[in-house]
Amino acid sequence: QKEVEQNSGPLSVPEGAIASLNCTYSDRGSQSFFWYRQYSGKSPELIMFIYSNGDKEDGRFTAQLNKASQYVSLLIRDSQPSDSATYLCAVSLTSGGSYIPTFGRGTSLIVHP
Amino acid sequence: GAGVSQSPRYKVAKRGQDVALRCDPISGHVSLFWYQQALGQGPEFLTYFQNEAQLDKSGLPSDRFFAERPEGSVSTLKIQRTQQEDSAVYLCASSSDSNQPQHFGDGTRLSIL
Repeated sequence: QKEVEQNSGPLSVPEGAIASLNCTYSDRGSQSFFWYRQYSGKSPELIMFIYSNGDKEDGRFTAQLNKASQYVSLLIRDSQPSDSATYLCAVSLTSGGSYIPTFGRGTSLIVHP
Repeated sequence: GAGVSQSPRYKVAKRGQDVALRCDPISGHVSLFWYQQALGQGPEFLTYFQNEAQLDKSGLPSDRFFAERPEGSVSTLKIQRTQQEDSAVYLCASSSDSNQPQHFGDGTRLSIL
């Protein structure tokens, strides 16, 4: 079982809707959680990071963390066609005293007009 | 520039040749990571440096892969006797600390013929 799990999708939502992306992880010692967006042929770019349980909002994006359930999610409000991309969840997993950001396989999001 | 710089952007090599990929991180970032990304997959961890020390190389797929960061800044990933399965995008990321958000370079797309 992979240490960071994401549904590969694609997740298809209409323009203006809320897109909900989910991620589960295996290491209870994980401290940091990140969401990256990756357009086809490009490198990942950071959208959100969260360290504490609860919600963190930034513009149209909200990250939600539940450490007890080992679950982190990303909500995108008022989805736009330009949000169509692959969304990567990364979790800092403990490894020999260091934290190694470990990625899921990504969820493909399609926002259709 | 202010971002992570990788070179070359594209590399084509014949099977059996050696290749070297370069990463110039953001100035002052002590943490440097190398990832391998296959098509349709998330980035897979290869190795991690804190300054010049290689703290984790557990993701290197074989002893043909070697990475160094001798002065704690620029890093080189070397692949000896390349094989077709080495074809992938190689991403470099840096951060101020291994628990902090990463900044990615544009990647090197390696094709082995």
